[in-house]
Amino acid sequence: NAGVTQTPKFQVLKTGQSMTLQCAQDMNHNSMYWYRQDPGMGLRLIYYSASEGTTDKGEVPNGYNVSRLNKREFSLRLESAAPSQTSVYFCASSEAPGLTQYFGPGTRLLVL
Amino acid sequence: AQSVTQLGSHVSVSEGALVLLRCNYSSSVPPYLFWYVQYPNQGLQLLLKYTTGATLVKGINGFEAEFKKSETSFHLTKPSAHMSDAAEYFCAVFDMNRDDKIIFGKGTRLHILP
Repeated sequence: NAGVTQTPKFQVLKTGQSMTLQCAQDMNHNSMYWYRQDPGMGLRLIYYSASEGTTDKGEVPNGYNVSRLNKREFSLRLESAAPSQTSVYFCASSEAPGLTQYFGPGTRLLVL
Repeated sequence: AQSVTQLGSHVSVSEGALVLLRCNYSSSVPPYLFWYVQYPNQGLQLLLKYTTGATLVKGINGFEAEFKKSETSFHLTKPSAHMSDAAEYFCAVFDMNRDDKIIFGKGTRLHILP
């Protein structure tokens, strides 16, 4: 039982490049989330999926897209990376909205 | 809209001293309340949570928090700090009548002085 896994762990991109961050959970959770964490800003919600087949914008969705591929997987895509997207990205899942969230180990992204 | 305020982005306490991390929330109804902890280079993990019932909630590693509706607070305490408690702590709130997502505070980094 791996919980929430994220790939890659680290990534360096050049401005304008695209990439997809992968997230998978093996807890049969309905809800999944993408956050970014920046110093002094806490955790900010980018997108979330309350249940399979639905996605909604969070606090900071600009520059990102998401896909809830199936119940297990929720990917985050940066179409054209910008230095402002340098951050640590966390994926999380929960049985339902409002219940305890379980977090992955994070992806450190540097955009040059 | 619901919100969470954590007083103090950095808190320092001596080893063995009381730990008190403050959290105030705004919500139209008694919410679900959470404290998460993040150790260096790791994701967040649940420390404790309040949903209904007893207002004093005990969590892992000797931490506890008390839901005080009249003060809209959910402060985190531990009687005696250990070096291993050094981490960042996040308070979070969920108002089931307002939204379907949890709102996190900006975090408080706890430093333990030897």
